[in-house]
Amino acid sequence: QKEVEQNSGPLSVPEGAIASLNCTYSDRGSQSFFWYRQYSGKSPELIMFIYSNGDKEDGRFTAQLNKASQYVSLLIRDSQPSDSATYLCAVGTGRRALTFGSGTRLQVQP
Amino acid sequence: DTAVSQTPKYLVTQMGNDKSIKCEQNLGHDTMYWYKQDSKKFLKIMFSYNNKELIINETVPNRFSPKSPDKAHLNLHINSLELGDSAVYFCASSPQQGVGSPLHFGNGTRLTVT
Repeated sequence: QKEVEQNSGPLSVPEGAIASLNCTYSDRGSQSFFWYRQYSGKSPELIMFIYSNGDKEDGRFTAQLNKASQYVSLLIRDSQPSDSATYLCAVGTGRRALTFGSGTRLQVQP
Repeated sequence: DTAVSQTPKYLVTQMGNDKSIKCEQNLGHDTMYWYKQDSKKFLKIMFSYNNKELIINETVPNRFSPKSPDKAHLNLHINSLELGDSAVYFCASSPQQGVGSPLHFGNGTRLTVT
């Protein structure tokens, strides 16, 4: 079992729709959760982080965390073609470096 | 005014050669990392340095050797390059070691071994 799992996609949504990206993790002791966006040929950039159960909103982005289910998600409202990228989920556990999933490719259709 | 910068951006070399990648951060962070991203976008931790001390070595072949002359620099030297070393290598830094500390990535070095 991979430590951090994501559906590779592509996830295709029409412009203006809500994109929902999901991530599960295996270590119940994990304490911090991050979403990075990576455009093709570019480096990952941090979008959101969440530490506590529940929702955290920042503009069009909402991160959701459910530690009991070991599940974290990212919602993108009013999706734009510029949101088309690979979204990487990363999990922090103890003093270890962040562990990344393999990413979900999102395509927003104009 | 780049926060995490790494050079070179592209590196094409032949099997058996030795090469180095340099990384510098001007964020004042204590911890620096090297990650390897394969063709399937999977980012895997290779090394982490906290204030010049190695704190993680994730079963990387000893052909790879990180060197940190000070806490703002973390270089990666690779001996006897192999085809399987072809990947994008990202340097990153974080304010401190451990939980809750987000990573700031450099622009990556695309290594191609022929």
